[in-house]
Amino acid sequence: GENVEQHPSTLSVQEGDSAVIKCTYSDSASNYFPWYKQELGKGPQLIIDIRSNVGEKKDQRIAVTLNKTAKHFSLHITETQPEDSAVYFCAASRAGSSNTGKLIFGQGTTLQVKP
Amino acid sequence: EAGVVQSPRYKIIEKKQPVAFWCNPISGHNTLYWYLQNLGQGPELLIRYENEEAVDDSQLPKDRFSAERLKGVDSTLKIQPAELGDSAVYLCASSLGPTGELFFGEGSRLTVL
Repeated sequence: GENVEQHPSTLSVQEGDSAVIKCTYSDSASNYFPWYKQELGKGPQLIIDIRSNVGEKKDQRIAVTLNKTAKHFSLHITETQPEDSAVYFCAASRAGSSNTGKLIFGQGTTLQVKP
Repeated sequence: EAGVVQSPRYKIIEKKQPVAFWCNPISGHNTLYWYLQNLGQGPELLIRYENEEAVDDSQLPKDRFSAERLKGVDSTLKIQPAELGDSAVYLCASSLGPTGELFFGEGSRLTVL
């Protein structure tokens, strides 16, 4: 089955710096890659996703890149702010035309943005 | 509009006791999911419902876990009897359909003593 590895497990940056979180997946048939942000005591919230027919997607300060050949994808956050501090999860699935598939999550990255 | 509502938020029980968690999805969301999140880990799918039908329950430990969504709206996840290793957060999520964005509730944190 699918296995998703996420690095680093913790990341500390200064406010205004960029943060990069990387994930690798094992199932070459995976084609849907969402990223979730989870704040303390809350459920995960989708922040951006990408499908395998595109290599990059951007939404304001966040972007995701996908390298299908190497089977890895990354989350990039620019101009980080203290409110970006949270746990970030990547996930992968085989999405069909009628479903998003079974999401397999990475282990999470705790991002701390220091003011 | 209200998000996914879960109760209770916290539950402490002794091992071998039963426990139940309730989830009310976002109105109109036909797809409902129960996930298990162990400390420091990502969520793992336990069961997915399309309306009242369980379409993926392969990860649900059926010897002690059960779930139902009788009218295709709210859902209950039950553990009986609970074991120490069941201590975790149980997350409920819903989506407009099987291709839609997942919206998670705040979770029910279970501690088994």
